[in-house]
Amino acid sequence: DTEVTQTPKHLVMGMTNKKSLKCEQHMGHRAMYWYKQKAKKPPELMFVYSYEKLSINESVPSRFSPECPNSSLLNLHLHALQPEDSALYLCASSQGGTGREQYFGPGTRLTVT
Amino acid sequence: GDSVTQMEGPVTLSEEACLTINCTYTATGYPSLFWYVQYPGEGLQLLLKATKADDKGSNKGFEATYRKETTSFHLEKGSVQVSDSAVYFCALSYNNAGNMLTFGGGTRLMVKP
Repeated sequence: DTEVTQTPKHLVMGMTNKKSLKCEQHMGHRAMYWYKQKAKKPPELMFVYSYEKLSINESVPSRFSPECPNSSLLNLHLHALQPEDSALYLCASSQGGTGREQYFGPGTRLTVT
Repeated sequence: GDSVTQMEGPVTLSEEACLTINCTYTATGYPSLFWYVQYPGEGLQLLLKATKADDKGSNKGFEATYRKETTSFHLEKGSVQVSDSAVYFCALSYNNAGNMLTFGGGTRLMVKP
């Protein structure tokens, strides 16, 4: 099973709302990632969790707050977003180590109004 | 720094035509190389990978060979189908913190019946 699941599939939120994106994997992977993807662009890395600890934050604004409650779950808490934050948010996981591929979820399409 | 360059699309082909999508990379060490595919409205799927020079990755009729001398990892398929229409991303990664991916810009492939 190489599945990464993400919920919700679509999300529309106002600039004053608070919402959360959820990601789950049951492959025993120790690294999990959040990416942001704008139309016709490659994914941009936001955060990396390794062994449930935040290891990389790519200078992401504080209105995005990641959380890793356990080794299978990854959340992204959203607050006071801007319209330019509208994008596809992708979660991925990896076993880690040399040449270890990342497995991506289907993404959450976020629209900020 | 490391970078990945792909041919710009869109690439438009007729069904059963041969496909080549060029990918070259700049790297200071010996990365692993990947091709990911993204179908409309979906996340990224790993298509194939190669972890060392002269390795050939293959999957679903697609192939790519890790060419260290030309720093290339071109994607090829002998006979494309309409269902191959998607965006293809070339990427590299090292065994570094978080096993991070560096993506190329993506190449959109459109296959017409």
